[in-house]
Amino acid sequence: DAGVIQSPRHEVTEMGQEVTLRCKPISGHDYLFWYRQTMMRGLELLIYFNNNVPIDDSGMPEDRFSAKMPNASFSTLKIQPSEPRDSAVYFCASSLFLQPNYGYTFGSGTRLTVV
Amino acid sequence: DAKTTQPPSMDCAEGRAANLPCNHSTISGNEYVYWYRQIHSQGPQYIIHGLKNNETNEMASLIITEDRKSSTLILPHATLRDTAVYYCIVRVAEPYSGGGADGLTFGKGTHLIIQP
Repeated sequence: DAGVIQSPRHEVTEMGQEVTLRCKPISGHDYLFWYRQTMMRGLELLIYFNNNVPIDDSGMPEDRFSAKMPNASFSTLKIQPSEPRDSAVYFCASSLFLQPNYGYTFGSGTRLTVV
Repeated sequence: DAKTTQPPSMDCAEGRAANLPCNHSTISGNEYVYWYRQIHSQGPQYIIHGLKNNETNEMASLIITEDRKSSTLILPHATLRDTAVYYCIVRVAEPYSGGGADGLTFGKGTHLIIQP
């Protein structure tokens, strides 16, 4: 398995533009998580899905952020409009949670820079 | 409140065992201890987890005290590639309850530096 695949690896955009981050989870995993990492705040959970349904989005910072999972093999995190303070590394992770002896698998992340 | 307490940084000589401590004095009976690490510029990587018993896999060993209030992650023969931030996380695992999965909550972790 290729693992969790995120794209793009790097994204530089201007303030006010729309940004879309993409994630392909491991096939068969029921749970998908979006995290954000900054130096100041560390790793923060933004939202997670179970069987394509959003379960908890309490970590989403503002209405400018939205996430979707249209099918079991694809999820997007969208920021519109983007702001410089959104600059961070965004990670996607998936898990076969119902097996307790199983950890999360993280992707390599998308480094977002908003100028 | 933080559920775990870890030293911010540690050094270890290459080839020696690296012992990373974690305090989780408020752990509940149904909470597991998980360890992840994050190598620079990569996503976090699962290492090991346990509930009560000591655990070992190809990456590391996990020693949990009898009262479960603390644990130690052991990398038996540390290499330079083990330099990373190591996170200790406590989390409920309810595989059959049908409840939502709480996402992992990462603290600041321990920055382990392996010295040549």
